Parts: sequence; structure tokens; C-alpha cells
Amino acid sequence: GAVVSQHPSWVICKSGTSVKIECRSLDFQATTMFWYRQFPKQSLMLMATSNEGSKATYEQGVEKDKFLINHASLTLSTLTVTSAHPEDSSFYICSARDRGRGREKLFFGSGTQLSVL
Amino acid sequence: EDQVTQSPEALRLQEGESSSLNCSYTVSGLRGLFWYRQDPGKGPEFLFTLYSAGEEKEKERLKATLTKKESFLHITAPKPEDSATYLCAVQAGNGGATNKLIFGTGTLLAVQP
Repeated sequence: GAVVSQHPSWVICKSGTSVKIECRSLDFQATTMFWYRQFPKQSLMLMATSNEGSKATYEQGVEKDKFLINHASLTLSTLTVTSAHPEDSSFYICSARDRGRGREKLFFGSGTQLSVL
Repeated sequence: EDQVTQSPEALRLQEGESSSLNCSYTVSGLRGLFWYRQDPGKGPEFLFTLYSAGEEKEKERLKATLTKKESFLHITAPKPEDSATYLCAVQAGNGGATNKLIFGTGTLLAVQP
């Protein structure tokens, strides 16, 4: 099946530093990728939609200058949490749409647990 | 406003004890309803997509059904390895929207041997 690889799996950083998370589609081309955030015992909340070759679309309340998204190729999207603070600590998950399999299938990465000290 | 509600929040079953999880939704034009399984510290794993009322899909011990306002995930004779959080998500079709999913908060299923 389609595989979405997300790295790193977990990261611990000091407050004020920036963290980059990568999301790769390994066996298909993804024109659209999505970035979610999940707090403990809560649902996945969509942060932004990343489109290859264009600017990301951010959901209401998500700071685009804090969460920088780059989708430079059909197989890679990155999320950079800039000047991270403890309240940014969360589980971040990416998903990718396989355009070869129809619009209904979205595959998820394994997630990145970010802890900001 | 598009909304997805899952119940119960948590469910504990004995091995072999069949049950159902519920996903109620209100959405402006359903394009698809999705079921995912999520293990702790992992991303969601795709299970099913349902598109129209009356549709059913099965995979091993799981069966998903859909009506115009809710979906059920039936688990027949569950095993301990079925323990996970089951997430329901809907994709709304309101003209020009992206393919984003709206997730419920999930049902945490624990199957005891």
C-alpha cells in the first residue's frame, strides 16, 4: 500500500528554537498534503493544506508565520515550527493524497511528537 | 457548521464480545465518510471509505455502515489486537472546497483477553 514517511518521530527542543518536520510520499506523487495537530485525547485538527508549487492554505487561527509549510516537490512537504514555545508541544501528523488512487484515499504519516521545554 | 461526534468515548470489551461504535455527523453535502484506526503514538491507518447511505464495507472483523446521519463500525468477535482508537472523519462537498477531513474525537477500544 501507499506509504507516507514522516520524520522525525519525536523531537525535544528548547523554547525559542525552530523545528522542521518532513513528510514524504514514498511510492506515489502527492499534489496535496495536509498537516494536522493532535493534543492528548483530542481529535486531529487540520492546520493547513499544502499544495505542490504554491502557497499553503492555513485554517483559521493557525499562524502562517509560525508554522511555515513548504511543498517544493510532489513527494515532500515540510512543516517548520518557528520559535517554538511549550504551548506548541503536540503530536503533528501529515497526510498525503494519492492522485493515482482517487480522491478519497488519504494516507497518514506516523506522526511527530514535539516537546518544547 | 460541519460536525462529527463519536460515541462512546471509550469502550471496554471482553475478547469475542461483539459491539458497535457510532459516528454521527452533520455536514453540508457528504462527499465521503472515513474510518481510521490509530494506535498510541502513531498516525491513523485507513480502514474504510463510505460514500452513500446504505453502503456497507467489511474487512476481517470490522464492518462499516452508513446512513444519512450516522455511521456504525461493527466489531465482531474482537481480539486484543483490535484495541486502538477508532477515528471517524467526514469530507464535505460544498463546492470548491479542498479535500480536508473533519475528524471526530475517536473511540478508545480496549479488548481484554
